[in-house]
Amino acid sequence: EADIYQTPRYLVIGTGKKITLECSQTMGHDKMYWYQQDPGMELHLIHYSYGVNSTEKGDLSSESTVSRIRTEHFPLTLESARPSHTSQYLCATIPSLPPYEQYFGPGTRLTVT
Amino acid sequence: DQQVKQNSPSLSVQEGRISILNCDYTNSMFDYFLWYKKYPAEGPTFLISISSIKDKNEDGRFTVFLNKSAKHLSLHIVPSQPGDSAVYFCAAGRNFGNEKLTFGTGTRLTIIP
Repeated sequence: EADIYQTPRYLVIGTGKKITLECSQTMGHDKMYWYQQDPGMELHLIHYSYGVNSTEKGDLSSESTVSRIRTEHFPLTLESARPSHTSQYLCATIPSLPPYEQYFGPGTRLTVT
Repeated sequence: DQQVKQNSPSLSVQEGRISILNCDYTNSMFDYFLWYKKYPAEGPTFLISISSIKDKNEDGRFTVFLNKSAKHLSLHIVPSQPGDSAVYFCAAGRNFGNEKLTFGTGTRLTIIP
């Protein structure tokens, strides 16, 4: 079983605040992903990384930014939170060898008031 | 343009009967398909996958069928159990899953005791 951790699990924050959602994995996987999911909707890829110092924007435009300074750590930052950022944020990794099943963390439920 | 579609947002099945969840895709470059199960406020959990070189893969109560000509896959759960009640996501990827995944919108399965 994959070991992926996300903190916080739940966050309620006011408009304009800066927040960082943490994602860590202990498996040494190079590829990591951030998804955003609204209720009843598909998971949208917002950022991904194929290794240290590698980050790319995903299919869904996002005002968030990410960094990948260490293999195990892939934080996502919102410089100025807005109500439109209210969503569930899911972090995932895939192993370097097949089978390439993505393993997901428990997610962060963000509410911006 | 939604490349992975789950046209049934919800499905109710009697306990012990077969649950069939469907998924259609449009991108012929997809060669790897996965099913995930998701409970509220949790991350998706991998269930079963299939590559385009196969048309069937079975794992316990779960079987996935792939019809490449129709660009259609389905997940069969038999027998259905109350613990199967969740949202099921279909996902598709390229390079046998070694690249980012595209998700469907999910089907909420309810197993009726």
